[in-house]
Amino acid sequence: DIQMTQSPSSLSASVGDRVTLTCRASQEISNHLAWFQQKPGKAPKSLIYAASSLQSGVPSKFSGSGSGTDFTLTVSSLQPEDVATYYCQQYNSYPFTFGQGTKLEIK
Amino acid sequence: EVQLLESGGGLVQPGGSLRLSCAASGFTFSTYAMTWVRQAPGKGLEWVSAISSSGGSTYYAESVKGRFTISRDNSKNTLYLQMNSLRVEDTAMYYCVKALDGYNFRAPYGFWGQGTLVTVSS
Repeated sequence: DIQMTQSPSSLSASVGDRVTLTCRASQEISNHLAWFQQKPGKAPKSLIYAASSLQSGVPSKFSGSGSGTDFTLTVSSLQPEDVATYYCQQYNSYPFTFGQGTKLEIK
Repeated sequence: EVQLLESGGGLVQPGGSLRLSCAASGFTFSTYAMTWVRQAPGKGLEWVSAISSSGGSTYYAESVKGRFTISRDNSKNTLYLQMNSLRVEDTAMYYCVKALDGYNFRAPYGFWGQGTLVTVSS
């Protein structure tokens, strides 16, 4: 199985900051990488697929990049409504594995 | 508007069985692969099982293989997860997830349901 490792596990930043979350795959997955946002007490929401394509309705302050084994999710200007846990997932091969998540908080 | 409504969760004793359902609407259900993802209390997301649009192909996580069975009824726009020999570690919120692209068994995820809670405890 492909292992997905996210860093950091938690991140505290100020309103307006640009923040970058990292996800690494244990083997090459091309661009078959997705990001999800889960707010406290809510179901996950799909943010990005194919490493950099925004899902419909997702604001452009979210952006993704990377290919191969190393990927990033960037929030251009952190706002209180962005407080959530963010998960990456590879869908290159079954089982589709998730990273352990990065908890993003406001400082 | 896409809707996925999970049901069937509840409290069950270890060794017991439950069948989860996911009623879909707002899209052509028969053309999309579907997936179950679970989340234990306070933990991360875990992929459980997936089924192709026709139902002819299925995949399972090693942790549930041989105990859980995914199926679908395209005439009823409903996805199922039959869970047998339940263990305490199966306690989780179970989410039904729709693929983003039709007819693609390796498509990324699109829409998530709100989940149904399964508690396995004596």
